[in-house]
Amino acid sequence: QVQLKESGPGLVQPSQTLSLTCTVSGFSLTSYNVHWVRQPPGKGLEWMGRMRYNGDTSYNSALKSRLSISRDTSKNQVFLKMNSLQTDDTGTYYCTRGGLDYWGQGVMVTVSS
Amino acid sequence: DVVMTQTPVSLSLAIGQPASISCKSSQSLVHSDGKTYLSWILQRPGQSPKRLIYLVSKLDSGVPDRFSGSGSETEFTLKISRVEAEDLGVYYCWQATHFPYTFGAGTKLELK
Repeated sequence: QVQLKESGPGLVQPSQTLSLTCTVSGFSLTSYNVHWVRQPPGKGLEWMGRMRYNGDTSYNSALKSRLSISRDTSKNQVFLKMNSLQTDDTGTYYCTRGGLDYWGQGVMVTVSS
Repeated sequence: DVVMTQTPVSLSLAIGQPASISCKSSQSLVHSDGKTYLSWILQRPGQSPKRLIYLVSKLDSGVPDRFSGSGSETEFTLKISRVEAEDLGVYYCWQATHFPYTFGAGTKLELK
């Protein structure tokens, strides 16, 4: 069955870089897009960016200068890297497939010294 | 960016009552391919979001038929014919027609 699972550090220092991995199963990264979506505590959802099935990427313009999404199809993994983290980057980060039909459990990231 | 405006911000309803949530976009969501990429997402308390409806009105597998979606261009509506306890949570509309893709701010459905 389709599964997505996010992994990464729970705590990141301000100004440092966040690195997250989304490991997928039950579908191919060369057939489906994968998105990253985040949610600050108690707030709404924010679309961050997308890895398209063909390897193209698209980003939220508000994050574009800090964000990079890549993948390793041999490992069924999609990666998120975001630099210059600040406290308002704290939240739960989700990866989700295609038209958001399947979601991971999310990973909580706290930006704090 | 396309702004998605959801109303109301919250709803307090009894079991069995109907519900209606509006989502208005700042520009038409009709894609150049002719499709309208408007989805409805439910996030139950403490859970990951879950998609209910895509392409305005298509129900995801397993979604009860008490849910329905409608609308066109810039105005969209999610309706629940009879609210049940499992429907509580926050509902978001999401557009994937224009980059960057954007969510509405959410509508919180509470049970009275």
